[in-house]
Amino acid sequence: NAGVTQTPKFQVLKTGQSMTLQCAQDMNHEYMSWYRQDPGMGLRLIHYSVGAGITDQGEVPNGYNVSRSTTEDFPLRLLSAAPSQTSVYFCASSYSKGGTYNEQFFGPGTRLTVL
Amino acid sequence: TQLLEQSPQFLSIQEGENLTVYCNSSSVFSSLQWYRQEPGEGPVLLVTVVTGGEVKKLKRLTFQFGDARKDSSLHITAAQPGDTGLYLCAGLPFKTIFGAGTRLFVKA
Repeated sequence: NAGVTQTPKFQVLKTGQSMTLQCAQDMNHEYMSWYRQDPGMGLRLIHYSVGAGITDQGEVPNGYNVSRSTTEDFPLRLLSAAPSQTSVYFCASSYSKGGTYNEQFFGPGTRLTVL
Repeated sequence: TQLLEQSPQFLSIQEGENLTVYCNSSSVFSSLQWYRQEPGEGPVLLVTVVTGGEVKKLKRLTFQFGDARKDSSLHITAAQPGDTGLYLCAGLPFKTIFGAGTRLFVKA
């Protein structure tokens, strides 16, 4: 199993450009999420999904869109990039057991710079 | 808003020393997780604690969940350079809340 994969690993955008960060998992996990990691602020939840067709907002959703058309894929779209979105982005997936979500498996991250 | 505060933010010690890092909140969590993250990689789960007062051991690492399920600690005995990394606590359920982390550097 490849686990959680993310592409690209690095990206530089100009202010106002749009792009999609890709995330895929091959573990048949129901739960997937996107985080951003900034120095001194830990991981902050952007959006999450509990299954195909179901998404919801996390702590910092503004400026980002997501969709979940399949169990495997959970892309994150930046509609109009801003310098404040410069960060490292992590995708994670998790399985449900007994009604709660357990260990999150993280991808290697995408380092995004917005100029 | 639920918050998890971790302390210290940064710790640099010599190989062989013992250390404890803390994760505190005013909120109650159903469970709490500890992850370790190495540079250029995503976090990897170390342990999940579920019951108030629970103690779990992972080789030289000892994790404790507070009786009131609002705080946790991670104690490392005889630290080694391989323990170097960013240690993150995360509170559950559901919309997982992460602390800012403790960055540990163990010098040989």
